[in-house]
Amino acid sequence: DVKVTQSSRYLVKRTGEKVFLECVQDMDHENMFWYRQDPGLGLRLIYFSYDVKMKEKGDIPEGYSVSREKKERFSLILESASTNQTSMYLCASSLPIGLGGNTIYFGEGSWLTVV
Amino acid sequence: KNEVEQSPQNLTAQEGEFITINCSYSVGISALHWLQQHPGGGIVSLFMLSSGKKKHGRLIATINIQEKHSSLHITASHPRDSAVYICAVGLIQGAQKLVFGQGTRLTINP
Repeated sequence: DVKVTQSSRYLVKRTGEKVFLECVQDMDHENMFWYRQDPGLGLRLIYFSYDVKMKEKGDIPEGYSVSREKKERFSLILESASTNQTSMYLCASSLPIGLGGNTIYFGEGSWLTVV
Repeated sequence: KNEVEQSPQNLTAQEGEFITINCSYSVGISALHWLQQHPGGGIVSLFMLSSGKKKHGRLIATINIQEKHSSLHITASHPRDSAVYICAVGLIQGAQKLVFGQGTRLTINP
């Protein structure tokens, strides 16, 4: 079974702290994604990566950065956490379209509270 | 207007009822996904389809490309089916990314 593992399920951070959310997948997927999910707003794409060291901004990249130094790991970084970044963050991975389809696999989510 | 619209937003039914959740989209797509999210956050992919119909257990998903519409059906619903069901589409352009509907919160009462 494909497994997407997010390092932390629940985090509480202070305003201004630097926050790292880590995601690891074990299926050699090229594509990896970071989403945030907020009530009434659904899932919104923050960043995605289609290869090592490659990244592309999603719909709401402001206040975030990402790192993909190895194929299996995709990190989301909040350089200076703010209260409006309190949310549930979901990591996902998939094969590229055209290579066996693009079924997407999600992690369990990380609940971040910024106080 | 969202590119992906789901209806209803909330649905409550009794155990055993036949459930239908609808998804309409306004853009050209490469594939449509149905996802399930239980309380606690994790999301599971139920179906990926680009034409016709797929069935898995008590779940059936259909898509009509011409009408840009998909439905997710649950037969003999059970309280464990209670979850948020999310429709998402892969666009023809920018197909590596998905566009999500707002989700349908389904509650099945015993």
